[in-house]
Amino acid sequence: DAMVIQNPRYQVTQFGKPVTLSCSQTLNHNVMYWYQQKSSQAPKLLFHYYDKDFNNEADTPDNFQSRRPNTSFCFLDIRSPGLGDAAMYLCATSRDMVPGPQHFGDGTRLSIL
Amino acid sequence: QQQVKQSPQSLIVQKGGIPIINCAYENTAFDYFPWYQQFPGKGPALLIAIRPDVSEKKEGRFTISFNKSAKQFSLHIMDSQPGDSATYFCAASGHGNKLVFGAGTILRVKS
Repeated sequence: DAMVIQNPRYQVTQFGKPVTLSCSQTLNHNVMYWYQQKSSQAPKLLFHYYDKDFNNEADTPDNFQSRRPNTSFCFLDIRSPGLGDAAMYLCATSRDMVPGPQHFGDGTRLSIL
Repeated sequence: QQQVKQSPQSLIVQKGGIPIINCAYENTAFDYFPWYQQFPGKGPALLIAIRPDVSEKKEGRFTISFNKSAKQFSLHIMDSQPGDSATYFCAASGHGNKLVFGAGTILRVKS
């Protein structure tokens, strides 16, 4: 089945140690999104790629970066994780930028020691 | 103006009951209103969605009612089952397809 796959499902890192989360999709969608979801909260958009064009949300900390080397893959890099960055990170895709369905992966649960 | 307000925060119904979750928005540029269902440890799954030119949409046991003049929309779950126990998020998006989520409703269906 076509889907959005996130790896790893669980990631533990140390305070200040860079970490990379990955997302792949078989939907061949043009847009890929990264969301942060803290416990008992709604997902919050960090940034998205439309093809190779990167769009950062105004309130996304500089600590968070992203790469999209090709249509299928997108990475979330957290340069110096703090305790407040512990969360579920969700990747989603959509066909294009016209309002319509977004398809989510099952997320990566990030813990900071 | 970008907010979507969702209520109630939590809801408990008996099996077979009809839970109703309500959402309200301010931004009239929103053009797409999905509902997502999320189980613990899983990503949100698209349940049903509606566009503002339609007042009601039904898919299986799930129905969205949409009131454009009041800027409100709601999710009804018919004949609810224990397996429907999850967190439900309403959302809205406009140009650029950026989803703005409501705060979520934790639904528990008692057997």
